[in-house]
Amino acid sequence: TQLLEQSPQFLSIQEGENLTVYCNSSSVFSSLQWYRQEPGEGPVLLVTVVTGGEVKKLKRLTFQFGDARKDSSLHITAAQPGDTGLYLCAGESGSYIPTFGRGTSLIVHP
Amino acid sequence: GAGVSQSPRYKVAKRGQDVALRCDPISGHVSLFWYQQALGQGPEFLTYFQNEAQLDKSGLPSDRFFAERPEGSVSTLKIQRTQQEDSAVYLCASSLEWGADYGYTFGSGTRLTVV
Repeated sequence: TQLLEQSPQFLSIQEGENLTVYCNSSSVFSSLQWYRQEPGEGPVLLVTVVTGGEVKKLKRLTFQFGDARKDSSLHITAAQPGDTGLYLCAGESGSYIPTFGRGTSLIVHP
Repeated sequence: GAGVSQSPRYKVAKRGQDVALRCDPISGHVSLFWYQQALGQGPEFLTYFQNEAQLDKSGLPSDRFFAERPEGSVSTLKIQRTQQEDSAVYLCASSLEWGADYGYTFGSGTRLTVV
């Protein structure tokens, strides 16, 4: 059972567009991570957020952790084809075992 | 090593066959996780080791699944009498310590197909 709901499930956009993907739960998490996974590879960690309301930026990617630590968002500015991949969020709630959502599959067309 | 290494990358097994999947974590990493990822899904937790101790195996789907890490380094996930529903990518991740602050590094996975 996936405790983390990610939306949208699929996203197909043109190069240069902006987008936001969401990760929501009814559970409170002590920390939340975002990963990107490319076909045939394992997930690669992008960022970890631990404080409610925290905002982290990684070049064109902006990550936000909700005030109540139950949800998070990832915003990509001016998407590029190299951003194509499966974006996964994973939360930890005390057990230090990351629980993953189903992911958002992003395709950026040139 | 520089990263988490998993072998084999691909495995085709006949139904009923036993398989063994290997994970070489980053040298010195204490924590090791196994996940199962079905097509179109996120990774699902299977089991967790801290050094050689298996601290959590609550995610193992049946008693056909067994994992070990006898010397606190290399880990093996064994599946006995494979069934078609076992077809998935099996991912291994390691971390320097227990907790998100240390970050998790995943291997490329083993794609198991049971025919």
